[in-house]
Amino acid sequence: EPEVTQTPSHQVTQMGQEVILRCVPISNHLYFYWYRQILGQKVEFLVSFYNNEISEKSEIFDDQFSVERPDGSNFTLKIRSTKLEDSAMYFCASLRGDTQYFGPGTRLTVL
Amino acid sequence: KQEVTQIPAALSVPEGENLVLNCSFTDSAIYNLQWFRQDPGKGLTSLLLIQSSQREQTSGRLNASLDKSSGRSTLYIAASQPGDSATYLCAVSSRGSYIPTFGRGTSLIVHP
Repeated sequence: EPEVTQTPSHQVTQMGQEVILRCVPISNHLYFYWYRQILGQKVEFLVSFYNNEISEKSEIFDDQFSVERPDGSNFTLKIRSTKLEDSAMYFCASLRGDTQYFGPGTRLTVL
Repeated sequence: KQEVTQIPAALSVPEGENLVLNCSFTDSAIYNLQWFRQDPGKGLTSLLLIQSSQREQTSGRLNASLDKSSGRSTLYIAASQPGDSATYLCAVSSRGSYIPTFGRGTSLIVHP
């Protein structure tokens, strides 16, 4: 069964550096999402993406963040100038019907 | 703004018990409600999706009900097994949006 994949599984970076988290959604899905989960906290919506543009974004998704679909398969989340509080699990998801299919996540650690 | 609350926060039971996990939400104008399972350090797996027009959904030993007017959903797990040990998340999408608001989850341990 097709799955959403994410790379890397764990990313360690220094504060102030830029990171790019990568996702390969399920191939015939059209809506894509990024979420984050700070350790011990709720899963929080960041941004949704449809037809090569942002559909919705939360107040968390400020100018520090950007998303791209650079080719037909990848979906990326870029975090510029990372801060300690950006340390979290970042999940990508894609939508079929009304069901969201989540990837395994990338654990981002900012030192 | 939608708020989602899950009770209890944690639950530890012996194998074989029937369980009820609770989810409540503040805004009844919902589009759908979804229950997920999250294993430690892993992503989320969708278990059941209930549309706002539905009252319940069943999959195997799992049954989820929805009472929109009272802002509640329950996830019933029959004959629990150690493999059911995980965190169970409730997520509510408001009308007009696919964006779910998540609860904090119920951490379930089923011991042999």
